[in-house]
Amino acid sequence: DGGITQSPKYLFRKEGQNVTLSCEQNLNHDAMYWYRQDPGQGLRLIYYSQIVNDFQKGDIAEGYSVSREKKESFPLTVTSAQKNPTAFYLCAVQRLQGGELFFGEGSRLTVL
Amino acid sequence: GEDVEQSLFLSVREGDSSVINCTYTDSSSTYLYWYKQEPGAGLQLLTYIFSNMDMKQDQRLTVLLNKKDKHLSLRIADTQTGDSAIYFCAEGSGGYQKVTFGTGTKLQVIP
Repeated sequence: DGGITQSPKYLFRKEGQNVTLSCEQNLNHDAMYWYRQDPGQGLRLIYYSQIVNDFQKGDIAEGYSVSREKKESFPLTVTSAQKNPTAFYLCAVQRLQGGELFFGEGSRLTVL
Repeated sequence: GEDVEQSLFLSVREGDSSVINCTYTDSSSTYLYWYKQEPGAGLQLLTYIFSNMDMKQDQRLTVLLNKKDKHLSLRIADTQTGDSAIYFCAEGSGGYQKVTFGTGTKLQVIP
């Protein structure tokens, strides 16, 4: 979706390094989400945030951290504690009242 | 917790109809969605249906909902090679609409 920008699109990391994935939106939506996608496993929720300065763990939060200092931005840090970080990461936004999720184009992280 | 299940793969011939099925467990679901994902890209919303509806039609797409059996299907009429993608079923429930996704069905369209 043109209103959601994820960067970088591709990222390579050495083991033991932290990396941060960016997600920026200009849709003025309150809720933002991070999902991880692995082949054959669908999408799994990492973290979500409904308002600025507040966020909640999803189903697979271990080894990840987030911040929500601005409404437009919800960066995800993949820490060295994440045992299997190679995956496709998707950011999504949603109106606080609910309804459909709008997705960014994703970031593919590969750990060498 | 909530669970959404789909078959992993479907192959159809160009011009035929495709039917992708999905089952879910959360009886409090208020929205049910179908998303499409092309290789290396994010998910694109195709259509959605409210839980109080039985059917929704949008051009070549028909969504059927059997709420009693918690079964959702997506029918694509006159399937084209451009329809080849992964299709995700998803359900939304809860005050902030936490959305749970299925594993995705990879649709292969044979010319």
